[in-house]
Amino acid sequence: GEDVEQSLFLSVREGDSSVINCTYTDSSSTYLYWYKQEPGAGLQLLTYIFSNMDMKQDQRLTVLLNKKDKHLSLRIADTQTGDSAIYFCAESKGSSYKLIFGSGTRLLVRP
Amino acid sequence: EADIYQTPRYLVIGTGKKITLECSQTMGHDKMYWYQQDPGMELHLIHYSYGVNSTEKGDLSSESTVSRIRTEHFPLTLESARPSHTSQYLCASSESGARHQPQHFGDGTRLSIL
Repeated sequence: GEDVEQSLFLSVREGDSSVINCTYTDSSSTYLYWYKQEPGAGLQLLTYIFSNMDMKQDQRLTVLLNKKDKHLSLRIADTQTGDSAIYFCAESKGSSYKLIFGSGTRLLVRP
Repeated sequence: EADIYQTPRYLVIGTGKKITLECSQTMGHDKMYWYQQDPGMELHLIHYSYGVNSTEKGDLSSESTVSRIRTEHFPLTLESARPSHTSQYLCASSESGARHQPQHFGDGTRLSIL
């Protein structure tokens, strides 16, 4: 989407860390989300962060938020082949419950 | 784990047919959404509902229609399917509340119109 941008593709070796980046344009965004989509499936919520936070960690996942630069990243530690999927960043806008999605980053994990 | 179900998972059907895609959730969520997604591409919101008897059009214009007669059920209908309707359709739901609640997605319906 024009409001949320992601790089299209990332390839990493199994066991390495993956960092998926996202930029958004709306400073009124309140929550930012990361979803994972495996082939032929719907979207699985991975994690989300409130806009007044800088970092959130959940097991192998670390989300970093730079509000000044409107930059969000998802770091996956010890990346596994099962992490291969498309990862979508999404923002919520103000009081609306609608989400604006990026175009997704396809992560390929090489053995 | 969210419980939201979409049927059918796959549908291949001829032009001109009337189609209804089903979406049901068992969590009592007030808010429900329909997205259209071409394979591996971004999601576009086509319809949403904030509760029973409430439906709104989304950001992407769609020839489909929706209804919300019961909280748990949010079907999407195409009166006369065309090849341009070929896509994946994803349904989602979320709770109401003062804080934003994440949307939970079904597995989608992949629709092919011949």
